Amino acid sequence: NAGVMQNPRHLVRRRGQEARLRCSPVKGHSHVYWYRQLPEEGLKFMVYLQKENIIDESGMPKERFSAEFPKEGPSILRIQQVVRGDSAAYFCASTDRGSNTEAFFGQGTRLTVV
Amino acid sequence: QKEVEQNSGPLSVPEGAIASLNCTYSDRGSQSFFWYRQYSGKSPELIMFIYSNGDKEDGRFTAQLNKASQYVSLLIRDSQPSDSATYLCAVNLDDYKLSFGAGTTVTVRA
Repeated sequence: NAGVMQNPRHLVRRRGQEARLRCSPVKGHSHVYWYRQLPEEGLKFMVYLQKENIIDESGMPKERFSAEFPKEGPSILRIQQVVRGDSAAYFCASTDRGSNTEAFFGQGTRLTVV
Repeated sequence: QKEVEQNSGPLSVPEGAIASLNCTYSDRGSQSFFWYRQYSGKSPELIMFIYSNGDKEDGRFTAQLNKASQYVSLLIRDSQPSDSATYLCAVNLDDYKLSFGAGTTVTVRA
């Protein structure tokens, strides 16, 4: 019974490049949440998606960031034209319904922008 | 004011002692409260959640909630070296959105 799978685990990008972070939820889960963790800080909510729908993207920067959760395949968090300040750990969580009681987190993708 | 604040660490306790972690929150409407454990470089792992005022015990862990004081705590009894980690307090902002504190790092000395 695989948990939330994120890849890559580590990603290095030069300033100005694009970063694509993938998240496969727990099998049967249709709700996905993305959080960002900066060094020495707590996790910050970014976006909540259900299959093919963005429910709440209030925590995601309006520019350069986008997220999707297609009918088939993993959820993707895309960061265009990355800057040094985007360096962080990005965690994905999933639930089987729109409730955070039993949210399972993935191992995270650690993005480093050089 | 931060939505969720945790007592600053690091917290160092001897093996077998009680580790006490504190957390305050600003939104009086919050209904659900969570404690996560995060080992260095790993994902957050849910260890306790609590909804009602009072204590909730699970093995060596006890969560305490006081909604009037907007305060939630975690006690770790008989601390073990394997408990050394960062503990994150999280509060729900609505049904699905969690607000996390910055975490308290606990070190259990053998």
